Amino acid sequence: AQKVTQAQTEISVVEKEDVTLDCVYETRDTTYYLFWYKQPPSGELVFLIRRNSFDEQNEISGRYSWNFQKSTSSFNFTITASQVVDSAVYFCALNPRTSYDKVIFGPGTSLSVIP
Amino acid sequence: EPEVTQTPSHQVTQMGQEVILRCVPISNHLYFYWYRQILGQKVEFLVSFYNNEISEKSEIFDDQFSVERPDGSNFTLKIRSTKLEDSAMYFCASSDLSSYNEQFFGPGTRLTVL
Repeated sequence: AQKVTQAQTEISVVEKEDVTLDCVYETRDTTYYLFWYKQPPSGELVFLIRRNSFDEQNEISGRYSWNFQKSTSSFNFTITASQVVDSAVYFCALNPRTSYDKVIFGPGTSLSVIP
Repeated sequence: EPEVTQTPSHQVTQMGQEVILRCVPISNHLYFYWYRQILGQKVEFLVSFYNNEISEKSEIFDDQFSVERPDGSNFTLKIRSTKLEDSAMYFCASSDLSSYNEQFFGPGTRLTVL
């Protein structure tokens, strides 16, 4: 089965706190891609990162960082020093090799950053 | 930077009416997709399209749905007889031959069926 789980439905943090959004995926494919998207209240999907299954290096982009661990099938996303503009729904997604046609989205985590 | 565009941004229709949602993919892309997101839920794959035919579709994509590439630039999703439960955000996406796993999403069309 191909599946993405985001156990945290809603998270609230106070501005400047760090927050980690969890993502666990399931696939039998050895080649796949993982993504994070941000969906602000306006509704569009904003691409944040793509990671392929052969690249387990963690990545940092400004206040964002990603921790990919194949051993636990996790691809967690951390926002450092959160800001009100980070308030959005964040989706983790999987694109498996055997089904290149579709991106499988997780249920999303709604993040609220309180000033 | 090239981007996927969708029109209209918001469509309101009466139950039973036909709607056509339009997308203009990135110009050199060859793979096209539609996804649906019911309010408050996750984004779900509907259909993929390549070389003028459907390459994969989900169980959601039943006979009331159809897709078409009527010309060299547009990619459309038609819903023949809309139902209340078709109310959702519909996202179009496209990708190219060299990296067809990286799908670029449009801003979405919010469909409201009354």
